[in-house]
Amino acid sequence: EPEVTQTPSHQVTQMGQEVILRCVPISNHLYFYWYRQILGQKVEFLVSFYNNEISEKSEIFDDQFSVERPDGSNFTLKIRSTKLEDSAMYFCASFTGGLREQYFGPGTRLTVT
Amino acid sequence: AQSVSQHNHHVILSEAASLELGCNYSYGGTVNLFWYVQYPGQHLQLLLKYFSGDPLVKGIKGFEAEFIKSKFSFNLRKPSVQWSDTAEYFCAVNAADSWGKLQFGAGTQVVVTP
Repeated sequence: EPEVTQTPSHQVTQMGQEVILRCVPISNHLYFYWYRQILGQKVEFLVSFYNNEISEKSEIFDDQFSVERPDGSNFTLKIRSTKLEDSAMYFCASFTGGLREQYFGPGTRLTVT
Repeated sequence: AQSVSQHNHHVILSEAASLELGCNYSYGGTVNLFWYVQYPGQHLQLLLKYFSGDPLVKGIKGFEAEFIKSKFSFNLRKPSVQWSDTAEYFCAVNAADSWGKLQFGAGTQVVVTP
C-alpha cells in the first residue's frame, strides 16, 4: 500500500537555526498538509497546499514558516528561525480530494534546544 | 470556529470489555467525520470515516461509530476490545467546504490490560 514518508524521523536543532522537514506524499495525491503536535497537546493544523500554492493556513503558520513542493514529489516545511516552542512532532499528510481520507506520514520529531 | 472535544483523555479497561469513546464537534455547516488511531510508535491511521448516508459506519478492526447530527456527536465503539487496541484515538472533523483541513480532538489514550 502506498504511504507518506517523512525525513528525518528526529531533528535536533539550536534555537534560531533554520530547519527543513521533508515529506514525500503519495504520488497521485493532490492536496498536501502539515500538522504538528506539541507533546501532550492535540494535533493542530498548520497549512494546506494545493496546485502549488497555499490554500489555507492557521494562525500558527506565521512568517517563520514556509512550504514548498520543489520537484513535484517532495513537500517541505521550512522554519526559518526556530524557537523553543516549535519543539513538536510534525506530521505531513496528503489526499486525493473528494470523499477520501488523508494519509499521514510517521512524523518528524523536532527538538529545539 | 470549529472545535472538537473528546470526553475522555485516558481510558483503562480489560480485554473483552466494551469501549465507547465520545466525540462532539461544533460547526454549523456540513462536516466530514473521522476517527484516527495511533498505535505506539506508529503513525496516524484511519479507523473509519463518515461523509454521508447511513449514520452508523463500520471501520477496521471491529470498530464502528455513529453520527448523531442532532447531538453533533460521532462516538466510537467496539464491543470487545483486545490488548492490541491499546493506542491513542483521535476524532477529527473537516468542514465539507474547506480545503480538507482536519480539526482534531485532544485524543483519548486507551490502555487495554490482559
